[in-house]
Amino acid sequence: EDQVTQSPEALRLQEGESSSLNCSYTVSGLRGLFWYRQDPGKGPEFLFTLYSAGEEKEKERLKATLTKKESFLHITAPKPEDSATYLCAVRRNTGFQKLVFGTGTRLLVSP
Amino acid sequence: GAGVSQSPSNKVTEKGKDVELRCDPISGHTALYWYRQSLGQGLEFLIYFQGNSAPDKSGLPSDRFSAERTGGSVSTLTIQRTQQEDSAVYLCASSLAQGGGNTIYFGEGSWLTVV
Repeated sequence: EDQVTQSPEALRLQEGESSSLNCSYTVSGLRGLFWYRQDPGKGPEFLFTLYSAGEEKEKERLKATLTKKESFLHITAPKPEDSATYLCAVRRNTGFQKLVFGTGTRLLVSP
Repeated sequence: GAGVSQSPSNKVTEKGKDVELRCDPISGHTALYWYRQSLGQGLEFLIYFQGNSAPDKSGLPSDRFSAERTGGSVSTLTIQRTQQEDSAVYLCASSLAQGGGNTIYFGEGSWLTVV
């Protein structure tokens, strides 16, 4: 069964303090790994899709990387507006290709 | 529309009542998904529609849950005889088609509280 584990569950950073969020996964044939951001009371907002090991994508202060077993979301010099829950999901390349989500990392960036 | 639209945004219902949640996907998107998110939990897949194909209902938790999609567009998720454990955010999402890198876009969710 496909599984996604995210760590840490919660992370508190000072503004400007860079860090990384981890997403470990097991899937029988990866079609894509997805990162979403979710603000309280809102639906998930798409950030990135990664398809193969070694791939990297960047958006503002965020950079996502992918290996064969895990993905990292690096946050460089975060700002308070980066505070949110970050969700990771995988999609397999056989059968019905639903997204399987982890439980997320709650990030709080203090000024 | 510009994004996935869901209604109602909030619903409080009494235990045992039926509820209907509506989803209007992004125009042109043929794939439509329903997910459920309970407090502190990850997103749980419920059901998936793709074009005119039979829906994948493998995630529906019980026979009290059903969904339909009319005309390949709007979808309704129905929960019969609601229970307190049904309290959650019900998220609808859509994409151009299943598979590949097609991004799945989510709506803001329908917050259901069963009292």
